[in-house]
Amino acid sequence: DTEVTQTPKHLVMGMTNKKSLKCEQHMGHRAMYWYKQKAKKPPELMFVYSYEKLSINESVPSRFSPECPNSSLLNLHLHALQPEDSALYLCASSQVWGPASTDTQYFGPGTRLTVL
Amino acid sequence: GENVEQHPSTLSVQEGDSAVIKCTYSDSASNYFPWYKQELGKRPQLIIDIRSNVGEKKDQRIAVTLNKTAKHFSLHITETQPEDSAVYFCAAYTGFQKLVFGTGTRLLVSP
Repeated sequence: DTEVTQTPKHLVMGMTNKKSLKCEQHMGHRAMYWYKQKAKKPPELMFVYSYEKLSINESVPSRFSPECPNSSLLNLHLHALQPEDSALYLCASSQVWGPASTDTQYFGPGTRLTVL
Repeated sequence: GENVEQHPSTLSVQEGDSAVIKCTYSDSASNYFPWYKQELGKRPQLIIDIRSNVGEKKDQRIAVTLNKTAKHFSLHITETQPEDSAVYFCAAYTGFQKLVFGTGTRLLVSP
């Protein structure tokens, strides 16, 4: 399996809802990432997990809560989002992460989130 | 800071022509430069990458060049085809271990 999968494909939620995005990879990668992509913009890094530990948080608001329960799974828990949080949320993975690593990041298809 | 500039923002070519997209990065510690192609509604897909110890890399119709002194790198697509139409993003892996993307180039190849 050489793919990163994400569920759901689409999500519509109200500002008071709690929802979760899920990402999975079975390539044996030990680094996983969350990116946010607004329309006609590049992906922007949100979080980096390395060996299931949070390594980078790009000052993301606490209404986004990441979780890495094991080396294959990455979740993003959403609570009390704002309409401006509507975007495509992309998950990615790479073999490892760190200063000596230049490993390719492979992206999932994304979850298109709409906050009403 | 970490910044990647990308030009042009839009590029229209005729089928069979060449296309060139240029990027400049700011962090001199950057050591890895991938290029991603993103079709509408799809995931970014890696098309080619280059590491800082190499000046040029080619894969069929696609080539990338890197000038570390000037801190810029370029994507060259030859014999363009309509299916090359997409948004192309350059990126630089910075000294802070983050992948920073350029602003994107919308390539339109007309038959």
